[in-house]
Amino acid sequence: GQNIDQPTEMTATEGAIVQINCTYQTSGFNGLFWYQQHAGEAPTFLSYNVLDGLEEKGRFSSFLSRSKGYSYLLLKELQMKDSASYLCAVRDSNYQLIWGAGTKLIIKP
Amino acid sequence: IAGITQAPTSQILAAGRRMTLRCTQDMRHNAMYWYRQDLGLGLRLIHYSNTAGTTGKGEVPDGYSVSRANTDDFPLTLASAVPSQTSVYFCASSDGLENNEQFFGPGTRLTVL
Repeated sequence: GQNIDQPTEMTATEGAIVQINCTYQTSGFNGLFWYQQHAGEAPTFLSYNVLDGLEEKGRFSSFLSRSKGYSYLLLKELQMKDSASYLCAVRDSNYQLIWGAGTKLIIKP
Repeated sequence: IAGITQAPTSQILAAGRRMTLRCTQDMRHNAMYWYRQDLGLGLRLIHYSNTAGTTGKGEVPDGYSVSRANTDDFPLTLASAVPSQTSVYFCASSDGLENNEQFFGPGTRLTVL
């Protein structure tokens, strides 16, 4: 079966750095996505990785290791507005997205 | 303003009733998707459409049907609603199957009693 695992909830302090991990087992791999979802709102795109390595975009970075079936999202200089759920999704061999349940990130002052 | 709209925002429905959730996008995207999101579970694909005139089944299609008569609209119909279909429904679109980003509508919160 296909499976995406990520922690259910994490807590971090404003101004700090947090790393959200995602491991996956899917039928085929055509890219990994990270989305942000604030409570009661729609998911919004954060990052995309298809090759191994680190992709940096401002305060957010995403890393991929295809051989390990592993990715992480790194958030730096945390702000209160970063409190949200972070969704990991893998595009499988049929080009459909398989989604993890999301990691709820709580930022404390 | 370009984007995706969904209607209604929320709905309470009696079991056995028929319901159509509406989704319209003005980005001229070829591909459109319907997901449901339930607490503790990831988004699950219900149906998708690669282009106008074609549709396909996702992970959880039973009890739902879709049509894609034109590029902009992708309605989702529950023929006879059941309580297990209580969920938040998101419509999304992308420029193509291989395009990187899916854009999501604001969602419809559906409660079936």
